[in-house]
Amino acid sequence: KQEVTQIPAALSVPEGENLVLNCSFTDSAIYNLQWFRQDPGKGLTSLLLIQSSQREQTSGRLNASLDKSSGRSTLYIAASQPGDSATYLCAVKARAGKSTFGDGTTLTVKP
Amino acid sequence: GAVVSQHPSWVICKSGTSVKIECRSLDFQATTMFWYRQFPKQSLMLMATSNEGSKATYEQGVEKDKFLINHASLTLSTLTVTSAHPEDSSFYICSPFSGGRPNEQFFGPGTRLTVL
Repeated sequence: KQEVTQIPAALSVPEGENLVLNCSFTDSAIYNLQWFRQDPGKGLTSLLLIQSSQREQTSGRLNASLDKSSGRSTLYIAASQPGDSATYLCAVKARAGKSTFGDGTTLTVKP
Repeated sequence: GAVVSQHPSWVICKSGTSVKIECRSLDFQATTMFWYRQFPKQSLMLMATSNEGSKATYEQGVEKDKFLINHASLTLSTLTVTSAHPEDSSFYICSPFSGGRPNEQFFGPGTRLTVL
């Protein structure tokens, strides 16, 4: 059974700082890994999707990496802004299409 | 990416009533539908998996008689919370899946259910 862990559970940084969020998973037989953002009381916003054959994906200030062999992914946020404050979830998708989510990292970027 | 809609986006109901949530995949055919729920300050947990035209498979701890799932067509799935109770208050999210596009992941915007 796939287990997904996100560390840290919460993170508070000053504006402008670069930061890394971590996601680890126990079963490396995955189709893809996806990072989402969720604002309080809202749905999911997809940030980056990394296929199992890829090592990283970039979008603007975001960069996500994937190391299947070690069961790890990182989400790097450059030059953080207060608007980046949200909960970040990683989801690992199995071959059958089922996704397993981590518990999330709640990020607060202070002005 | 694909467009997925959920209706309603939020609903408040009295305890004991039933609530139906619709999920539509607007531009692709979902052979499989995953239903997730998210309790406050927790992550999304898979409730059930349904394949078009067949019965849903429920995760451990999810009551199949309480959460009725219908996946009658490739573009529409419904989740009915029967005899809702305050502990069913949660955020429900659908995720359609197409075997023809296995590497893509789509989620509905979610439905927030509050049971008084």
